[in-house]
Amino acid sequence: QKEVEQNSGPLSVPEGAIASLNCTYSDRGSQSFFWYRQYSGKSPELIMSIYSNGDKEDGRFTAQLNKASQYVSLLIRDSQPSDSATYLCAVNRGNTGFQKLVFGTGTRLLVSP
Amino acid sequence: DGGITQSPKYLFRKEGQNVTLSCEQNLNHDAMYWYRQDPGQGLRLIYYSQIVNDFQKGDIAEGYSVSREKKESFPLTVTSAQKNPTAFYLCASSFGVYHNEQFFGPGTRLTVL
Repeated sequence: QKEVEQNSGPLSVPEGAIASLNCTYSDRGSQSFFWYRQYSGKSPELIMSIYSNGDKEDGRFTAQLNKASQYVSLLIRDSQPSDSATYLCAVNRGNTGFQKLVFGTGTRLLVSP
Repeated sequence: DGGITQSPKYLFRKEGQNVTLSCEQNLNHDAMYWYRQDPGQGLRLIYYSQIVNDFQKGDIAEGYSVSREKKESFPLTVTSAQKNPTAFYLCASSFGVYHNEQFFGPGTRLTVL
């Protein structure tokens, strides 16, 4: 089992729709969860971080965390063609000392006009 | 402007050569990281450094070396011992152990000829 799993996609949604991206993780001790957006040929850009169960909203983005189910998701409302990118889920490994991040392989999102 | 810079953007290496990738940050971050990204794979941690003059191996350190003589700089050397060095190399930084929101530089694309 991979430490962080994401569906590779592509996930195709029409412009204006809600895109839902999912991520599961295996380390029950994980405390920090991050979503990065990566455009083709570019480096990852941090868009959301979440540390406690529940929802966290920032503009059109909502991160949802369920530690009991070891599941974190990212919702993008009113999706735009400019949201078309690969979205990486990252989870910290370990709950003591220096916490390294483990990245999923990413979900490719395509938003059609 | 605060940020992370990496140079060069593209690098071509002949078999048997060592090359050094530069990473500089002016965010006053304590921790710095090097990752490698290959198509279809998540980011894999090569080396990380929590403070000046200290660094630790990540998951795939073989064939790589680093130094951390200044807080702002964390260069990576890809040695001839690295069997498959062609990849996208990403440098990141964070405030430190308990603030591991990592921010990435623009990356260096290394190709072995």
